[in-house]
Amino acid sequence: QQPVQSPQAVILREGEDAVINCSSSKALYSVHWYRQKHGEAPVFLMILLKGGEQKGHEKISASFNEKKQQSSLYLTASQLSYSGTYFCGTDLYGNKLVFGAGTILRVKS
Amino acid sequence: EAQVTQNPRYLITVTGKKLTVTCSQNMNHEYMSWYRQDPGLGLRQIYYSMNVEVTDKGDVPEGYKVSRKEKRNFPLILESPSPNQTSLYFCASSPGTSGPFNEQFFGPGTRLTVL
Repeated sequence: QQPVQSPQAVILREGEDAVINCSSSKALYSVHWYRQKHGEAPVFLMILLKGGEQKGHEKISASFNEKKQQSSLYLTASQLSYSGTYFCGTDLYGNKLVFGAGTILRVKS
Repeated sequence: EAQVTQNPRYLITVTGKKLTVTCSQNMNHEYMSWYRQDPGLGLRQIYYSMNVEVTDKGDVPEGYKVSRKEKRNFPLILESPSPNQTSLYFCASSPGTSGPFNEQFFGPGTRLTVL
């Protein structure tokens, strides 16, 4: 039931782009994205709702393919501050989230 | 300041000694939840509460209890802790009355070690 995230880790240079994928085996109500920096709590980035509505971050975008039960997070022109672990959370019934194992992103100068 | 607080932040205890980790939010949120985080496994939900009247199990509820007597507080209780409950615990809250559709605000975390 846990969604599968890929890649597990990625290293970028400042200014490069990255895509993080999240795939579920079940139909999704919504997908949530969070970022966690080392030693800190997860912080909200984005929610993608069934039907296409999207709420979230200015410089980070995402897509949600309901038919394929997949979501992708797009980080463009990455900055050092983007480093951290990214988690997707899948919402099956509108009452709880199941998080993936996370994708470690490191941005180098 | 709008926030979720947890106490204690760090705790080392021994097997079988009952403990409670408190969680409080000052944002008047309906939804509250507990997660544990273990390396390579991400965040796994222990229990959640849609409101003061509805509390339900998450994916890993064994060995844990919760209580939601008032909206702002959602303590996590370990009646008889065991070493496999050594983990980093996060409390979170969300304003939604229909589940976690909205942003979840996480507390700072409680690192628990059970010897």
